Amino acid sequence: ETGVTQSPTHLIKTRGQQVTLRCSSQSGHNTVSWYQQALGQGPQFIFQYYREEENGRGNFPPRFSGLQFPNYSSELNVNALELDDSALYLCASSARGRAEAFFGQGTRLTVV
Amino acid sequence: AQRVTQPEKLLSVFKGAPVELKCNYSYSGSPELFWYVQYSRQRLQLLLRHISRESIKGFTADLNKGETSFHLKKPFAQEEDSAMYYCALNPPVGSRLTFGEGTQLTVNP
Repeated sequence: ETGVTQSPTHLIKTRGQQVTLRCSSQSGHNTVSWYQQALGQGPQFIFQYYREEENGRGNFPPRFSGLQFPNYSSELNVNALELDDSALYLCASSARGRAEAFFGQGTRLTVV
Repeated sequence: AQRVTQPEKLLSVFKGAPVELKCNYSYSGSPELFWYVQYSRQRLQLLLRHISRESIKGFTADLNKGETSFHLKKPFAQEEDSAMYYCALNPPVGSRLTFGEGTQLTVNP
């Protein structure tokens, strides 16, 4: 069984730039969720994708967007990066209707 | 609005001592409650969920709906229990976890 993998591991971007983070879901999982974890905080739900469509969104602005592909992998895109976007971004996959989520190792984004 | 509160950011105990990590939640309904754990340099992983009522690595957690709490307990802490613990809530429908801020548990020899 293949676990959730994320790329890249680390990333440094300049304020105002755009970034794309990638996630491969665990084998057999069709639902992907993205979380933002600021330093010293718990993960915060950004959005979820199921069958290539957004299926729920947290309190994040529209410059945070995503995609899910037919193989259930997913991308998180952030436009017009701000310094406060610096965080660990976690991807989690789950089977449809199941709350149990399996997390990737995360992508550490630093905006300078 | 749903919210999870973990009042202790840091908790330190000695090996063999009992440990309790507190978690309180607010939600108008019947959510699912979870404990996730993150060991050093490892990914976040599920420790246990309230509906399974099981003991994992000696840890148990009881959902108290009256007090809206889901405290994590272990009677005899081990050094390998040192980790960051997150309590999380999920609504009855769907999968959208709300996490607490976490408690860093240190078990001293």
